[in-house]
Amino acid sequence: AQSVAQPEDQVNVAEGNPLTVKCTYSVSGNPYLFWYVQYPNRGLQFLLKYITGDNLVKGSYGFEAEFNKSQTSFHLKKPSALVSDSALYFCAVRDDNFNKFYFGSGTKLNVKP
Amino acid sequence: GAVVSQHPSRVICKSGTSVKIECRSLDFQATTMFWYRQFPKQSLMLMATSNEGSKATYEQGVEKDKFLINHASLTLSTLTVTSAHPEDSSFYICSAHRGTTEAFFGQGTRLTVV
Repeated sequence: AQSVAQPEDQVNVAEGNPLTVKCTYSVSGNPYLFWYVQYPNRGLQFLLKYITGDNLVKGSYGFEAEFNKSQTSFHLKKPSALVSDSALYFCAVRDDNFNKFYFGSGTKLNVKP
Repeated sequence: GAVVSQHPSRVICKSGTSVKIECRSLDFQATTMFWYRQFPKQSLMLMATSNEGSKATYEQGVEKDKFLINHASLTLSTLTVTSAHPEDSSFYICSAHRGTTEAFFGQGTRLTVV
């Protein structure tokens, strides 16, 4: 079965500081991993994905994520946080057989000025 | 990028009535769409897989007679919440897949049953 875990309910960072939002995964077969962001009362916006290739994936809005097979992690990072990055972030894994997405519990990112 | 449009974005209905939510893929054809439900401060829960031209596949614990799904064309899937009750109040989100990896999400529908 496919699953992802986001161990932090909330992450607080100061504007300008680097941020990390953690995600670990458990999959059978090849991992197809994604990060999405959600603003209040809105749908999900795609940030980035790992399918194959380079372990460091660069995405939208300056975000990047590093796929670490040995640690089964796919942490989201950004070198310098903006207040506008404050939102709810979801890690997800796609089931290769049924094309379904399974989401983590979400991490609320608070960036303070 | 591909756009998935969901309508309405917000709806309030009386208990006992039915509400229809539409999910459209605007610039690509989607043979499969997915419907999720999100409770406050919680993650998305997959409700069902909508298959164009065939019956939807429901996740365990989701009442298919309560949440009717129709996928009549390659660009439109609808979710109808029948005989809605206050406990059905939630945020409903659809997604459509383009190809084998890309998933695009609608903007969500906030349903409030009074």
